[in-house]
Amino acid sequence: NAGVTQTPKFRVLKTGQSMTLLCAQDMNHEYMYWYRQDPGMGLRLIHYSVGEGTTAKGEVPDGYNVSRLKKQNFLLGLESAAPSQTSVYFCASSYNGGPNTEAFFGQGTRLTVV
Amino acid sequence: AQSVAQPEDQVNVAEGNPLTVKCTYSVSGNPYLFWYVQYPNRGLQFLLKYITGDNLVKGSYGFEAEFNKSQTSFHLKKPSALVSDSALYFCAVRFNTNAGKSTFGDGTTLTVKP
Repeated sequence: NAGVTQTPKFRVLKTGQSMTLLCAQDMNHEYMYWYRQDPGMGLRLIHYSVGEGTTAKGEVPDGYNVSRLKKQNFLLGLESAAPSQTSVYFCASSYNGGPNTEAFFGQGTRLTVV
Repeated sequence: AQSVAQPEDQVNVAEGNPLTVKCTYSVSGNPYLFWYVQYPNRGLQFLLKYITGDNLVKGSYGFEAEFNKSQTSFHLKKPSALVSDSALYFCAVRFNTNAGKSTFGDGTTLTVKP
């Protein structure tokens, strides 16, 4: 069972460079989320999607863009990376948006911007 | 606003002793509460959830959580800790409004010593 798969697992970028993080889930989940995890700050929601072709802003969306062209994929883009975007990024999915539905997480992408 | 708080950054216990990881919540309406565990260099894994009903919720790996409405708490417990339980634990509340967004606590690092 693959579940939620993120690529790449590690990346080092120079300030100003761009990159795309890919999240793929094979559970036919409707909802997908991108979080960033920083020490002592828990997880903060960047963007999310409630279905194919839809995206919405989360708590910390600035500097990021997303796309959900296919139900199983959710892409997170950084157009011009900044050192403040150094973080661990997690993708998650859930079957629906119900309050009693747990989320499934990928293994994370550790991004360093120098 | 809905929120959760984990008052302890670190919890240390000896193997074989009971463990408790604390979580308090603030929500309007019915709370939907979750515990997740994160092992080193891994994504978050779902442990258990409270929806309604029994105040003692049983989950994976022998963990359980006690919901206390009067104290607005949802503490994670295990009768006998294992060294392999050492990890980062997150409490989360899921909104009962659109998109099923979750708010996570800042996390508690559990260390179980042999």
